[in-house]
Amino acid sequence: EAGVVQSPRYKIIEKKQPVAFWCNPISGHNTLYWYRQNLGQGPELLIRYENEEAVDDSQLPKDRFSAERLKGVDSTLKIQPAELGDSAVYLCASSLVGSSPLHFGNGTRLTVT
Amino acid sequence: QQQVKQSPQSLIVQKGGISIINCAYENTAFDYFPWYQQFPGKGPALLIAIRPDVSEKKEGRFTISFNKSAKQFSLHIMDSQPGDSATYFCAGVDSGGGADGLTFGKGTHLIIQP
Repeated sequence: EAGVVQSPRYKIIEKKQPVAFWCNPISGHNTLYWYRQNLGQGPELLIRYENEEAVDDSQLPKDRFSAERLKGVDSTLKIQPAELGDSAVYLCASSLVGSSPLHFGNGTRLTVT
Repeated sequence: QQQVKQSPQSLIVQKGGISIINCAYENTAFDYFPWYQQFPGKGPALLIAIRPDVSEKKEGRFTISFNKSAKQFSLHIMDSQPGDSATYFCAGVDSGGGADGLTFGKGTHLIIQP
């Protein structure tokens, strides 16, 4: 099966600019997650979707971050405006049900200058 | 999120040796404990996982030991190979409490020297 696909792989932007990341989960996976991984750290959850519904966004900095999962398939994570501290790898993951193993994409490495 | 504490932060093991990574958790509602392996430039990939109703699970050269009373679990890699060099993350999941995904440890950077 095709894995979780993320794009772009790399993104370099200046601070205060907007940026968007895209994720296509494994076909049939109804649960989608966005994680942020800082250098040398474990991934930290930003938001979890069950189909189209965001069921946990408590860790999402809502002043500048937004996400959507239209039609319960692909998802987009946006940052506007970006700050220097947003530099990290943004990982998307999907699973069949909330507690089954997560399958991760290879992430988008964001550098904010 | 409840924390999962992982140690050591980095580990160097000779080829053929045993690599041991330890984790401790706080949230007693965790009912699933996976280990993920991550290579540079890649996303984490599930390596092996255990539920707290068993004390040990073995898959090939990889073994999880679980101590429920101590709230600790560990990953053992037997006959470590250079291809095992990666970052390893332990995690805890509360699958019944409406919790979100995984709570990861901070990772262990493992280097297997040939």
